[in-house]
Amino acid sequence: TAGITQAPTSQILAAGRSMTLRCTQDMRHNAMYWYRQDLGLGLRLIHYSNTAGTTGKGEVPDGYSVSRANTDDFPLTLASAVPSQTSVYFCASSDGTGLNEQFFGPGTRLTVL
Amino acid sequence: QKEVEQNSGPLSVPEGAIASLNCTYSDRGSQSFFWYRQYSGKSPELIMFIYSNGDKEDGRFTAQLNKASQYVSLLIRDSQPSDSATYLCAVNADRGSTLGRLYFGRGTQLTVWP
Repeated sequence: TAGITQAPTSQILAAGRSMTLRCTQDMRHNAMYWYRQDLGLGLRLIHYSNTAGTTGKGEVPDGYSVSRANTDDFPLTLASAVPSQTSVYFCASSDGTGLNEQFFGPGTRLTVL
Repeated sequence: QKEVEQNSGPLSVPEGAIASLNCTYSDRGSQSFFWYRQYSGKSPELIMFIYSNGDKEDGRFTAQLNKASQYVSLLIRDSQPSDSATYLCAVNADRGSTLGRLYFGRGTQLTVWP
């Protein structure tokens, strides 16, 4: 199985433009998450979804929105990008049982100029 | 605010030595703990998890948990150059839930030199 895929791999975006980062998982996991990783700050949770149709805010949600129309897809949208959103974005999923281990996608490197 | 602290490193050990990575957390009610390995330019990869006090061994890796001290560690025995990576400590913020939000430490960079 592919696990978790993310697209694009990298992107340069002009400030003020909008962009959607895509995330798809084929493991039928209930929960999905978006993190950003910045040098010196580690991974921080942006938004999460417990199951299709529900979403929630993480530690750093401002400037981002998500939707969860089905189990497999969890897109992250930047409505009007700013340079401080330059980061590496990781999507993750967990099956919602037991210890609920999270598995990560390959990431999207976003540069906002 | 749920804090997860790791020794900042970098940590450098010779091949064959034991590498010791440490992590403390602020939420006393946290129940499950994870260690991820991240190679440069790659995504985090889960290598160990622990939820009971004591030691858990998996090959060359041993995770140790002390909930009273709010302390979790990862020992890597017989370190190899291929172990050179950043190690991330993560704490599950959710209890009794199908959701498993993680709070991460900033990571410790490990270099194993031949």
